[in-house]
Amino acid sequence: QQPVQSPQAVILREGEDAVINCSSSKALYSVHWYRQKHGEAPVFLMILLKGGEQKGHEKISASFNEKKQQSSLYLTASQLSYSGTYFCGRVASGNTPLVFGKGTRLSVIA
Amino acid sequence: DAGITQSPRHKVTETGTPVTLRCHQTENHRYMYWYRQDPGHGLRLIHYSYGVKDTDKGEVSDGYSVSRSKTEDFLLTLESATSSQTSVYFCAISERDRGGYEQYFGPGTRLTVT
Repeated sequence: QQPVQSPQAVILREGEDAVINCSSSKALYSVHWYRQKHGEAPVFLMILLKGGEQKGHEKISASFNEKKQQSSLYLTASQLSYSGTYFCGRVASGNTPLVFGKGTRLSVIA
Repeated sequence: DAGITQSPRHKVTETGTPVTLRCHQTENHRYMYWYRQDPGHGLRLIHYSYGVKDTDKGEVSDGYSVSRSKTEDFLLTLESATSSQTSVYFCAISERDRGGYEQYFGPGTRLTVT
């Protein structure tokens, strides 16, 4: 089962903040976040591991609530370059593959 | 950028014909993946490989087969293409295990089955 992302789409003005949520019905070993610009390949942003370790982007932060099986991506002081579709992916255990959500389309306007 | 190429980048084929997509990496990463991307579905895993000749199915593997005879190449074959397999196909690689390491994606192949 794919993790559920919300909202499905959001429009921001430059400088505004946004939160994208990712919920899983399965226990989480790790959560991944990727961004895809139109016509391009997805690009890695961040991994959050069970136990609190994070790896990833300097200007984008995320949280991981293991008990609630949720993760949130925080985009602060958004820039035009933040526009794209954001995907979360969940890994249920260390030997299972990544399963992506359906994505959240973020549009930043001037 | 990770050294991943996909070929062809675009292909139009007829229903019932076999199609093979190629993914080539220069990073010597152990894990390789094939995804398909369709509007409203996000990225869905077709098959993946965790070493030469070691492959496993993903969530949407029906109608697809894969082979990996060398570390650098991962082939995806549609034995008899159908219109439902019209999609954008992405290859990805990762250095180590599936959970804790980021994936790097190739540029994608747009396949149209008429």
